[in-house]
Amino acid sequence: AQSVAQPEDQVNVAEGNPLTVKCTYSVSGNPYLFWYVQYPNRGLQFLLKYITGDNLVKGSYGFEAEFNKSQTSFHLKKPSALVSDSALYFCAVRDNGGFKTIFGAGTRLFVKA
Amino acid sequence: KAGVTQTPRYLIKTRGQQVTLSCSPISGHRSVSWYQQTPGQGLQFLFEYFSETQRNKGNFPGRFSGRQFSNSRSEMNVSTLELGDSALYLCASSFPGENTDTQYFGPGTRLTVL
Repeated sequence: AQSVAQPEDQVNVAEGNPLTVKCTYSVSGNPYLFWYVQYPNRGLQFLLKYITGDNLVKGSYGFEAEFNKSQTSFHLKKPSALVSDSALYFCAVRDNGGFKTIFGAGTRLFVKA
Repeated sequence: KAGVTQTPRYLIKTRGQQVTLSCSPISGHRSVSWYQQTPGQGLQFLFEYFSETQRNKGNFPGRFSGRQFSNSRSEMNVSTLELGDSALYLCASSFPGENTDTQYFGPGTRLTVL
């Protein structure tokens, strides 16, 4: 069965420093991987996705993610964090046969000025 | 293009009542999915519809049901509400509905069961 793990409940980083939010997955077949962000009292916003091709995926707001098949990871990264990046981040995997998306538990990112 | 809209945004009900939530997808989107978000359980998949057909269903009791209309709008219904049903219910749409498609989320309906 497909699953997604976000091992950190919370990540703290200083503004201007690089940030990484971790995600590992377990799927049968080719993984379709997504990152979403949720701001308070809002729905989820799409950041980026990996379907196939280049292992480094670039997305919205300067975020990127690196797909690593051998480590079954899809970590979200940004070279220089902003206070406005503070939010809840979700990694997700699409069940590639069953039209179902499975989300990780979410990682709360705090960026301190 | 207008985004995904959900109505109502907030709802307060009492135990035993039933509730219907509505979702209007982005114009042209044919797939609609529903999720329940709670602090303890995170985001849980409820069901997904495409062209009025339920393609998949999550592990929720039969009290949770949904449907999709010919214009792709979707509703979900929860009968005999329980306190544990208090949650943010999110709807997402995608075009045309393939597994690789990006899902676009609405702002959610906050349901409180007293």
